[in-house]
Amino acid sequence: DVKVTQSSRYLVKRTGEKVFLECVQDMDHENMFWYRQDPGLGLRLIYFSYDVKMKEKGDIPEGYSVSREKKERFSLILESASTNQTSMYLCASRPFPNQPQHFGDGTRLSIL
Amino acid sequence: GENVEQHPSTLSVQEGDSAVIKCTYSDSASNYFPWYKQELGKGPQLIIDIRSNVGEKKDQRIAVTLNKTAKHFSLHITETQPEDSAVYFCAASTGDKLIFGTGTRLQVFP
Repeated sequence: DVKVTQSSRYLVKRTGEKVFLECVQDMDHENMFWYRQDPGLGLRLIYFSYDVKMKEKGDIPEGYSVSREKKERFSLILESASTNQTSMYLCASRPFPNQPQHFGDGTRLSIL
Repeated sequence: GENVEQHPSTLSVQEGDSAVIKCTYSDSASNYFPWYKQELGKGPQLIIDIRSNVGEKKDQRIAVTLNKTAKHFSLHITETQPEDSAVYFCAASTGDKLIFGTGTRLQVFP
């Protein structure tokens, strides 16, 4: 079974802090994704990566960056956290395009 | 870009009844349509998917239908059980990114 692990289930940070959200997958998948989930808005794509050291902007990349130094690990970075980044963050991976994405259980991030 | 609309936003049914969730998409080039179930405190889990060369797909109590002409696809759950209670998301893809609907909260009452 595919396992996508997000390092924290809950995280509380202060405005202006630099925040790192970590995601690891164990199935040697090429593609990885970061979404945020907000009530009534569904899942919105922040950034994705097709391979190591590659990254592509999603639909809402402002205020975020990502890092993929190893194939199994994809990190989301909030450069200077703001209260409007309080949300549920979901990481996903898939083997290659047009294959199912597998999700982690999410990190609920609160910015105070 | 692609836009996916999902209805209804909430759905309550009696145990044993059927539930239907509908989605429409805007990009006629979309060719992959997964459905995800998200239980409380968990990430979305894939329950069924369909590709554009197929009109219908079934897996036990779950079925998905696709009408490419009308750009509609639907999830059908028969003989609903309390454990079907969750939030369901549809999505559409041209092969690259998934675009998600806004979700349907399904409640199945015993």
